[in-house]
Amino acid sequence: EPEVTQTPSHQVTQMGQEVILRCVPISNHLYFYWYRQILGQKVEFLVSFYNNEISEKSEIFDDQFSVERPDGSNFTLKIRSTKLEDSAMYFCASSGGQGYEKLFFGSGTQLSVL
Amino acid sequence: AQSVSQHNHHVILSEAASLELGCNYSYGGTVNLFWYVQYPGQHLQLLLKYFSGDPLVKGIKGFEAEFIKSKFSFNLRKPSVQWSDTAEYFCAVGRTYKYIFGTGTRLKVLA
Repeated sequence: EPEVTQTPSHQVTQMGQEVILRCVPISNHLYFYWYRQILGQKVEFLVSFYNNEISEKSEIFDDQFSVERPDGSNFTLKIRSTKLEDSAMYFCASSGGQGYEKLFFGSGTQLSVL
Repeated sequence: AQSVSQHNHHVILSEAASLELGCNYSYGGTVNLFWYVQYPGQHLQLLLKYFSGDPLVKGIKGFEAEFIKSKFSFNLRKPSVQWSDTAEYFCAVGRTYKYIFGTGTRLKVLA
């Protein structure tokens, strides 16, 4: 089965630093998502992206966050100035093609903000 | 407000016991419903989904779920669990562009 890949698997950063989390969605998919899961808590929706623009975003996705699809294959999440509370597992997902509503998730990037 | 509630946070069962995990949601309009599973150390995987039609849907590994529209519920069931079903289970509700996940239920199956 095709996979969504995410890099890096672990990212450690200092508070206030910028981080970029990278994802390669499944090649023929059209919809892209970022979710996050703080340890012990639920999976939270951050943002969805379609046709090169944000389709919907949650209240978590404030001005510190941005997403980009720079080259037609990668899908990135940038956090401009990280906070301690940004520490979480960040999941990228994509959907599209046949059965477009099914989300395919990547294995996640564990972000630790110190 | 849009929300998904999973009432059981931790469930411990012996092998061969029956399983039912509850999921209730609040989300305006027509929605799609999903159950995802996350095995230890792995990413989220789709167990089953409901879009329309027969409200009883069957998924992988012997799981099934029933959509009861009047109760806004989508409960997951399995007649006989196995040790390998130990995982965290998430109910998700939504439409294209946005899906909301429940808080998850950690299932531990004792051999």
